[in-house]
Amino acid sequence: DQQVKQNSPSLSVQEGRISILNCDYTNSMFDYFLWYKKYPAEGPTFLISISSIKDKNEDGRFTVFLNKSAKHLSLHIVPSQPGDSAVYFCAASARGNQFYFGTGTSLTVIP
Amino acid sequence: EAGVVQSPRYKIIEKKQPVAFWCNPISGHNTLYWYLQNLGQGPELLIRYENEEAVDDSQLPKDRFSAERLKGVDSTLKIQPAELGDSAVYLCASSLDGHGEQYFGPGTRLTVT
Repeated sequence: DQQVKQNSPSLSVQEGRISILNCDYTNSMFDYFLWYKKYPAEGPTFLISISSIKDKNEDGRFTVFLNKSAKHLSLHIVPSQPGDSAVYFCAASARGNQFYFGTGTSLTVIP
Repeated sequence: EAGVVQSPRYKIIEKKQPVAFWCNPISGHNTLYWYLQNLGQGPELLIRYENEEAVDDSQLPKDRFSAERLKGVDSTLKIQPAELGDSAVYLCASSLDGHGEQYFGPGTRLTVT
């Protein structure tokens, strides 16, 4: 049973435009969410997180939005750069317990 | 600061053979995780350690998988005997206290033939 879902396996965006990656979850007990970025042959790298007490967290070009009522979060990257091309995973946990990961979205930023 | 170190990076073995993976977490990180990642999927937790204690091993196939974290630092994950379906990337991660972000190693890509 997939508790965290990323329904778009891939996304292509023109350089300089906004990339929006989406993630849905089913467990209402999840209270902490993270986004990871993964390049080929490397482990996932932490990107940004958000607690359920917030609805937005921003770090430079990266912003994560959380909609608890819809059980949905999104990662916005603006402006997108070719170096952002990677697979992005969202992950969620309840009270610091096991993290559940989505299946990933492969982002390609076209120069 | 050194990141999470894993070895080997790649391993090819025949089915029914044993295999072991090693992980050295970030210094000072009390929590260590082993994940399995199949192609096109996200990481799936196998086992989580708080110091030397395995606090969550519910998804570890205990008939063939074993893990240890002696002295609460390095950890070893073993498969014996390996099956074809064990071909995957095995990721190790660590975190300071088990509640925040995890830092991943590069993974070990296992191919069972």
